[in-house]
Amino acid sequence: AQSVTQLDSHVSVSEGTPVLLRCNYSSSYSPSLFWYVQHPNKGLQLLLKYTSAATLVKGINGFEAEFKKSETSFHLTKPSAHMSDAAEYFCVVSGSGYSTLTFGKGTMLLVSP
Amino acid sequence: EAGVVQSPRYKIIEKKQPVAFWCNPISGHNTLYWYLQNLGQGPELLIRYENEEAVDDSQLPKDRFSAERLKGVDSTLKIQPAELGDSAVYLCASSLGGLEGETQYFGPGTRLLVL
Repeated sequence: AQSVTQLDSHVSVSEGTPVLLRCNYSSSYSPSLFWYVQHPNKGLQLLLKYTSAATLVKGINGFEAEFKKSETSFHLTKPSAHMSDAAEYFCVVSGSGYSTLTFGKGTMLLVSP
Repeated sequence: EAGVVQSPRYKIIEKKQPVAFWCNPISGHNTLYWYLQNLGQGPELLIRYENEEAVDDSQLPKDRFSAERLKGVDSTLKIQPAELGDSAVYLCASSLGGLEGETQYFGPGTRLLVL
């Protein structure tokens, strides 16, 4: 079985400051890991994914995440937040050879001017 | 390239009424998924299709929910009868071949309100 824990339900930052969204995972297999973003009334959009290649993964819009097997973590970061980054972010795990995704409960990112 | 299309975007019905949601995946994607997203939660898989075959429907409440994917392209998810607790967003996604690590592309969802 696999699971994902997003450690913060809400994160508030000021525009121009760094963003850190934390995610821990549990999997019996070497997992694939994803971060998706969901803007209000919009579909889920893939930010980045890790599939056992480089442990530091770069995504769209300046986001990146680092896979740390020893810590079972896959935290999402961005050096400088923009107002348009305000949205809900989901950490997702896939494993055991199938594409079925297990989502975390989400972290709402709030960006203030 | 057109994305995953879902309709309707919003639906309001009274409890005990039937309702159906439609999904058109990205052209060439063999795998289609239906997810349920409750308020404040991440999406949860209801059913996964490989072409026209439902290969994982273990989380689909079969007493009231049904789904089909005729000809391995479009799919319909139905609820009959709807209950108050079915109010949620129903998401459709598709991917090329259902392999681990594949990107799933999501539609905008259908927001259902049961009164």
